[in-house]
Amino acid sequence: NAGVTQTPKFRVLKTGQSMTLLCAQDMNHEYMYWYRQDPGMGLRLIHYSVGEGTTAKGEVPDGYNVSRLKKQNFLLGLESAAPSQTSVYFCASSYEVIYGYTFGSGTRLTVV
Amino acid sequence: LAKTTQPISMDSYEGQEVNITCSHNNIATNDYITWYQQFPSQGPRFIIQGYKTKVTNEVASLFIPADRKSSTLSLPRVSLSDTAVYYCLVARGEGTALIFGKGTTLSVSS
Repeated sequence: NAGVTQTPKFRVLKTGQSMTLLCAQDMNHEYMYWYRQDPGMGLRLIHYSVGEGTTAKGEVPDGYNVSRLKKQNFLLGLESAAPSQTSVYFCASSYEVIYGYTFGSGTRLTVV
Repeated sequence: LAKTTQPISMDSYEGQEVNITCSHNNIATNDYITWYQQFPSQGPRFIIQGYKTKVTNEVASLFIPADRKSSTLSLPRVSLSDTAVYYCLVARGEGTALIFGKGTTLSVSS
């Protein structure tokens, strides 16, 4: 089925470790986004991309880096994980923001 | 982007119609109103979007008055499976991204 695939689904990191979350979409969407969601909260935008090779900061970009080397992939990196980055991370893509997002199923990250 | 305000929570019973109102006083001319639904442990799902007047699809209806400063999501005859968080957002268009608030938690009981 066409959609947004996030890898991995679960991960436990130790403080200071690094990791990369992968988001892949097969809908030829131009726009891709990374959000995080903490318990009882709405989603907060980390970074987004409006096309291959572009990235932009969202509401809470500190501690994260992103890359969009291929149109279908959007990578979210944590260089030195902190317990405050424990969260559920959602990736989404869209043809354009007004046409609706398709979200992935999320990555549950715990930093201990 | 226009900030949206919606109730934190709502309760309903199966079979009732539920109306969730959202205010967006600072909406701009080229902004669209869009609603998403999120179930626990899942990513949000796009429900409906509109610019003005009324939009209806198989899931919901969206009512937008002429001044566009508010909108109402209408869910006809809800069931237990409609228990979820509903987000009202303003979508501006090219080059931007959606900013989510806390949404409205709808609880449907039997």
